[in-house]
Amino acid sequence: QTVVTQEPSFSVSPGGTVTLTCGLRSGSVSTSYYPSWYQQTPGQAPRTLIYSTNTRSSGVPDRFSGSILGNKAVLTITGAQADDESDYYCVLYLGGGSVVFGGGTKLTVL
Amino acid sequence: EVQLVESGGVVVQPGGSLRLSCAASGFTFNQYTMHWVRQVPGKGLEWVSLISWDGGSTNYADSVKGRFTISRDNSKNSLYLQMNSLRTEDTAFYYCAKDKEDSWSFDYWGQGTLVTVSS
Repeated sequence: QTVVTQEPSFSVSPGGTVTLTCGLRSGSVSTSYYPSWYQQTPGQAPRTLIYSTNTRSSGVPDRFSGSILGNKAVLTITGAQADDESDYYCVLYLGGGSVVFGGGTKLTVL
Repeated sequence: EVQLVESGGVVVQPGGSLRLSCAASGFTFNQYTMHWVRQVPGKGLEWVSLISWDGGSTNYADSVKGRFTISRDNSKNSLYLQMNSLRTEDTAFYYCAKDKEDSWSFDYWGQGTLVTVSS
């Protein structure tokens, strides 16, 4: 069972807004978990989008934003574009000097 | 420009050993923690290991603990992953990634190298 949970798939219309979540099988995500987000298209290496909950990595457009909503970390994409169609992964620091990836969300733009 | 270039991925038999390398450039290598992350083809990402800037601290995922050893040579700007007692489930793309300091995250990634464990 995956400790860090993400929606397996999501779809959004072009120009629309989508919020992807990153939770814990048990407990609530807070900034102390240092949530980060990564985008990966097939055949490519991951690309860093967000770190430390809400800081955009260099060169990432402000259409991508991160926050804590309720008991989860969220990645919000506004004005979705066709090339946002990708897999999105979150990472949480669970202590003990290690991090854990979520299972990833496959985002479809249609 | 930060560059991370992995090498060493090959086909190896179960029970065999392999050493992956990652050549780093474009940043002061000896100031940063480095990570290995892997991905079974068609599946999700899995964090494998990290090593502190000076090599003094390492950590591993439970799935590889006792079989894999991470190391670095700061004089060569290189990161390594020694993989022993390989299993078929270790078949994956292996990425090296630079740590984003103070944030338990990654900011730069290599393109990956494919390790195939098969008889």
